Amino acid sequence: ETGVTQTPRHLVMGMTNKKSLKCEQHLGHNAMYWYKQSAKKPLELMFVYSLEERVENNSVPSRFSPECPNSSHLFLHLHTLQPEDSALYLCASSQVIGGYGYTFGSGTRLTVV
Amino acid sequence: GENVEQHPSTLSVQEGDSAVIKCTYSDSASNYFPWYKQELGKRPQLIIDIRSNVGEKKDQRIAVTLNKTAKHFSLHITETQPEDSAVYFCAASKGGSQGNLIFGKGTKLSVKP
Repeated sequence: ETGVTQTPRHLVMGMTNKKSLKCEQHLGHNAMYWYKQSAKKPLELMFVYSLEERVENNSVPSRFSPECPNSSHLFLHLHTLQPEDSALYLCASSQVIGGYGYTFGSGTRLTVV
Repeated sequence: GENVEQHPSTLSVQEGDSAVIKCTYSDSASNYFPWYKQELGKRPQLIIDIRSNVGEKKDQRIAVTLNKTAKHFSLHITETQPEDSAVYFCAASKGGSQGNLIFGKGTKLSVKP
C-alpha cells in the first residue's frame, strides 16, 4: 500500500441502489481528488478538496455526491447511477493543491447493472 | 477547455530499444508536468515530473523534456525492459485552477523480449 487506501475494491450495484466509496490517506496530505477512469478515455477529474473544502466540481452529475469530513478521508456517495457510470474510480492525494506528487489509491472497480 | 493530447496510443518496441511518448498541452499557465505508469490492474504511479522552469530532467533510464514555447513535453525511456510494459499517462497542471492535473489518454507500451 502506498498510503492511500480505497474501499471497496470492487462494487456491483443496481441503478436504484445507494452506495458509498471510501478513500483514506495516511500521508499527511491536504488535498484529495476523485478521478474516473473509463476504457479508452483519459483520467477524468471529478472533484478536488483542499483542507476539507471542495474547490472544484468538474460538471459532475448530481448522482455523484462527494464528502470530505476531514483531511484524511474522502467519500463518494452514489445513487441512481447509470450503466455508463461503470468505471474505475481513483482517489488521489497530494501534499499541496497543485498536484505535486499525486499518490493514487488502488481504485474501486464499479459496475452498474 | 484545457486538454492534453498524447501520442502514440500504443507503442511496441524490442527489448533494449528506446521508447518516446509525446504530449502537447493547451493551457499556457500549466507549470507542472508529471508522468505516471499504470501496470495492468494497478494504480497509476508517478515515475518522473518536470516543472516549467526546467527543460530536461533525467532519472536513470527515463528522461523528460519540456518545450514551453511549443507547449509540448516528452517521455524518453532508454534500454527498455519487459517490466517497462504498462500504460503511461502524461499530465499538465491546470494552472488557473490552482494546478490540479489534466491527463492525456495514455500510451500502452509493450516491450518484447
